[in-house]
This record gives sequence, C-alpha cells and structure tokens, in this order.
Amino acid sequence: DIQMTQSPSSLSASVGDTVTITCRASQSVSSYLNWYQQKLGKAPQLLIYAASSLQSGVPSRFSGIGSGTGFTLTISSLQPEDFATYYCQQSFIAPWTFGQGTKVEIK
Amino acid sequence: QVTLKESGPVLVKPTETLTLTCTVSGFSLSNAKMGVSWIRQPPGKALEWLGHIFSNDEKSYSTSLRTRLTISKDTSKSLVVLTMTNVDPVDTATYFCARRGGVYNFLDYWGQGTLVTVSS
Repeated sequence: DIQMTQSPSSLSASVGDTVTITCRASQSVSSYLNWYQQKLGKAPQLLIYAASSLQSGVPSRFSGIGSGTGFTLTISSLQPEDFATYYCQQSFIAPWTFGQGTKVEIK
Repeated sequence: QVTLKESGPVLVKPTETLTLTCTVSGFSLSNAKMGVSWIRQPPGKALEWLGHIFSNDEKSYSTSLRTRLTISKDTSKSLVVLTMTNVDPVDTATYFCARRGGVYNFLDYWGQGTLVTVSS
C-alpha cells in the first residue's frame, strides 16, 4: 500500500495568515492527489483534485501543487471558516489511501 | 442535484455482519466516469478508505479489510451496498459513501455519514 504522510499534524494560525500543509507519498502517485477539508461532525469536502485543480465552488485562496511524491496545499489569507482538518488522499493505485490529517486551529 | 445517503443499523454486536446501504441520486451508477467509495472514520481519528465499486462492477478493497468486505450495487435502484463480516468494537466508526467524480478518482460528493457502534 502507498503510505501518505502529512505534516504538520496540527498547526495554529491567525486569520489572514498563509498556511502550507505538506503531503508525502511513499511512492509516486503521479498527479493523483486530492485534498479534502473536514469540519467537526461533517463529511469531508473536496478542495483540490489532480494535485492542483480547484474544485468548483472552492475559494481561490486554496491552491495545490506537486507531483510524484511531494505535494502541498496552501491556504492564502486564512478565513475563520477555514479552521478545520485537512486530508490528502492518493487515488493512483488502490487502495486509495488518506493521510493522517492536519488540524488547523485558531491561534 | 447529486446526493448520497447512508443507511443501516446504529448498533451491531461483535461477530455479526454489518450491512450498509448508500442511496444515490442525481447521477447514474452506470455512467462510465462514476463509481462509489466507502470510507470510515473512528471517533476522533483519521479517514480510512474501505473500497470502491466502478460503473463496470470492478471493485477494489482495503488491503487489511479485503477478506471481510464486499461491495455491490443495484444500478436500477441506485443503491450501493457495503457488507462487513465478523465486526469488532474497533469497527465502531462513522461510515461514509462518496462519489468518484472523474478519471483522477477524486471523491466529489459525500454522504452525511452514519455512525455504527459495535458493542455487545
């Protein structure tokens, strides 16, 4: 199985900050890398697919980049509604594994 | 609009078989781009992908759970069914179904999830 490792596991940030989350795959997943946001008690929501494509309806302050084994999610000008847990997922080779999550908290 | 909704028992006893249903609307399970995954999340823990069924009925499963899982679909009824045998308290989790949205296998629509507790 491909292992997905996110860093950091959690971070504290203020409204207006730029936040970067990293996801590393144990082997190449090409561009088959997706990012999801999950708020407490809710289902995850797709933010970014194919490493850098913004899902329809997602604010442009969210962006993704990377290919192969290294990927980043950047949130520019963090907003109050962005405090949540973020997961990466590889969908290149089954099983389609998730990272362990990154919790973004209010500083 | 696209919706998915999970249904099934709230409480299951250890060693029993769990059967969950995902009822979809707004798209067809026979559409070549489509498919449905099952994902679970134990309380306070990370997401865990369980398996997927494609429109052509091909299936993929979690390596650690493949001997206990079966995913099937009824295209005419817009249903996807997850069966998990021999459940254990560690299988207590919220179970989600989600739609595969395209060739990159991203999951673009999710159900609200259903919490299943395994306890005697």
